[in-house]
Amino acid sequence: GEDVEQSLFLSVREGDSSVINCTYTDSSSTYLYWYKQEPGAGLQLLTYIFSNMDMKQDQRLTVLLNKKDKHLSLRIADTQTGDSAIYFCAEMSRNQGGKLIFGQGTELSVKP
Amino acid sequence: SQTIHQWPATLVQPVGSPLSLECTVEGTSNPNLYWYRQAAGRGLQLLFYSVGIGQISSEVPQNLSASRPQDRQFILSSKKLLLSDSGFYLCAWSGQSTDTQYFGPGTRLTVL
Repeated sequence: GEDVEQSLFLSVREGDSSVINCTYTDSSSTYLYWYKQEPGAGLQLLTYIFSNMDMKQDQRLTVLLNKKDKHLSLRIADTQTGDSAIYFCAEMSRNQGGKLIFGQGTELSVKP
Repeated sequence: SQTIHQWPATLVQPVGSPLSLECTVEGTSNPNLYWYRQAAGRGLQLLFYSVGIGQISSEVPQNLSASRPQDRQFILSSKKLLLSDSGFYLCAWSGQSTDTQYFGPGTRLTVL
């Protein structure tokens, strides 16, 4: 079946940039998403990118999409302690009837 | 603007007891509605989705059922809870013309 993979942990220092990576297998993906989950909370939509785009920037967030390699990344500039959370990559899979396929999430830890 | 509510926020139930979790959406009509479970291992599992009143699709056969008695109300139920039903249950909605899913705050269920 379709699969989305992410590394489980990332640790950075406050003020540095964070880069969270994701790979997916479905070549028919139309949208790719990044969600943020703080402890005990639901998933907050951070940003998304349409599959015909290479890059999308939104304030401190930059999403890069390499469709050839099926690789998606989320860069957070000037990472703050409030950015500590689990970040989920998800793809909208046409092969699975338009359902969202989630990665396992990357836990970002920001150290002061 | 649209908002999504879930209740209760937390629930502790004995094995064998019934379950009813509720999700409601405000500010939109005829949304697609989804129930996910997030186990301790972080991954999100799609349990049910609904494209309209009374229309429920089940993704994984299990001890749970879902119903949609009203356009913006989605209910997750069980007649007899199992220990393995413990987890964090998330409801989400999307518009009929868009694929982006927005999540509720979640319900933490502990079955003892």
